[in-house]
Amino acid sequence: RKEVEQDPGPFNVPEGATVAFNCTYSNSASQSFFWYRQDCRKEPKLLMSVYSSGNEDGRFTAQLNRASQYISLLIRDSKLSDSATYLCVVNTGRRALTFGSGTRLQVQP
Amino acid sequence: NAGVTQTPKFRVLKTGQSMTLLCAQDMNHEYMYWYRQDPGMGLRLIHYSVGEGTTAKGEVPDGYNVPRLKKQNFLLGLESAAPSQTSVYFCASSRTGFNQPQHFGDGTRLSIL
Repeated sequence: RKEVEQDPGPFNVPEGATVAFNCTYSNSASQSFFWYRQDCRKEPKLLMSVYSSGNEDGRFTAQLNRASQYISLLIRDSKLSDSATYLCVVNTGRRALTFGSGTRLQVQP
Repeated sequence: NAGVTQTPKFRVLKTGQSMTLLCAQDMNHEYMYWYRQDPGMGLRLIHYSVGEGTTAKGEVPDGYNVPRLKKQNFLLGLESAAPSQTSVYFCASSRTGFNQPQHFGDGTRLSIL
């Protein structure tokens, strides 16, 4: 089993839709969680950290479920500019961050 | 601020050649990292450094050397390039440890023929 697993997608949604991605992690001792965004052929950029109580940044909401060992990202009112690959990133307890392979989102007009 | 800067952006090598990728950060970060990203796979950690003069192996360290002679610079050396090292290489830095978000450079596309 991979340490961090994501549905690769693609998720094709119309503008204005709400879309949610989940990411599961295998190490119950994981302490830090992030969502990154990566545009085609570009570097990953931090979208948001994920806190235990859940957190929101504008149209983006991140949740952590420790019992089921997953994190989620909800995007409301999708924009064309949200089209990208979303990377789930977890500190798995070893001295490293582990990156998921990413979920591709395509927002269509 | 430039953030994290990688040079070169693109390079084509022949098998057996050597080269060094340079990463520079101007954020006074202690930790620096080298990753590779291959199609269909997540970023994989090659080596990392927790401070000037120190380096440690990541998930896929073989075939690379990584001097950290100055706090702001982290080099990635390929002594004898192999086709399996064809990849996109990203450098990143973080203020302190692995529980901190990492800031990435814009990558180096390396092809080994």
